[in-house]
Amino acid sequence: NAGVMQNPRHLVRRRGQEARLRCSPMKGHSHVYWYRQLPEEGLKFMVYLQKENIIDESGMPKERFSAEFPKEGPSILRIQQVVRGDSAAYFCASSRQRAREETQYFGPGTRLLVL
Amino acid sequence: AQSVTQPDIHITVSEGASLELRCNYSYGATPYLFWYVQSPGQGLQLLLKYFSGDTLVQGIKGFEAEFKRSQSSFNLRKPSVHWSDAAEYFCAVGVDGNKLVFGAGTILRVKS
Repeated sequence: NAGVMQNPRHLVRRRGQEARLRCSPMKGHSHVYWYRQLPEEGLKFMVYLQKENIIDESGMPKERFSAEFPKEGPSILRIQQVVRGDSAAYFCASSRQRAREETQYFGPGTRLLVL
Repeated sequence: AQSVTQPDIHITVSEGASLELRCNYSYGATPYLFWYVQSPGQGLQLLLKYFSGDTLVQGIKGFEAEFKRSQSSFNLRKPSVHWSDAAEYFCAVGVDGNKLVFGAGTILRVKS
């Protein structure tokens, strides 16, 4: 049973470009979460999605960031017009159910570097 | 507001020595608590979790944690540390909306 998969593992973008980060949840998981880890900091929640629905986007920056989890295919975190402050590790996690006690399984992350 | 505090940014222990990593949380309802470990350049792996019942929780790799409601703490322990335990450790609390609130992490160094 493959774990959570994220690609690319490393992404370099110049300021003003777009970044697309992909996440394939574990088999049987329909709940996806995105977290951002800035240098020297812990992970911060960004968004929680179920198939075709955004459930909680309270941690998403108001501009330039968007997320989707289509009926088919991976979840996508999209950052438009990247700036240097977007440089971070972006982690995706998935779970089987929506419940506070449910374990979230994390992917290896995408390390974004904005030049 | 919910928060998790890990007071120690770095901890260094000798191989074979015991380990305790501190975690304090702030959450109004019954806490759902987790410890994750992150090796350099890797994702997070769940060590253990607490929801209810016995306040001493056993996890993988010989780790355990004790929930103390009176102290709002969920400290992680290991009786004898191995060099392979060197990593960063994160405490987290599960909150409404199914998200995790993480502490800033504790970096563990193991000296031989």
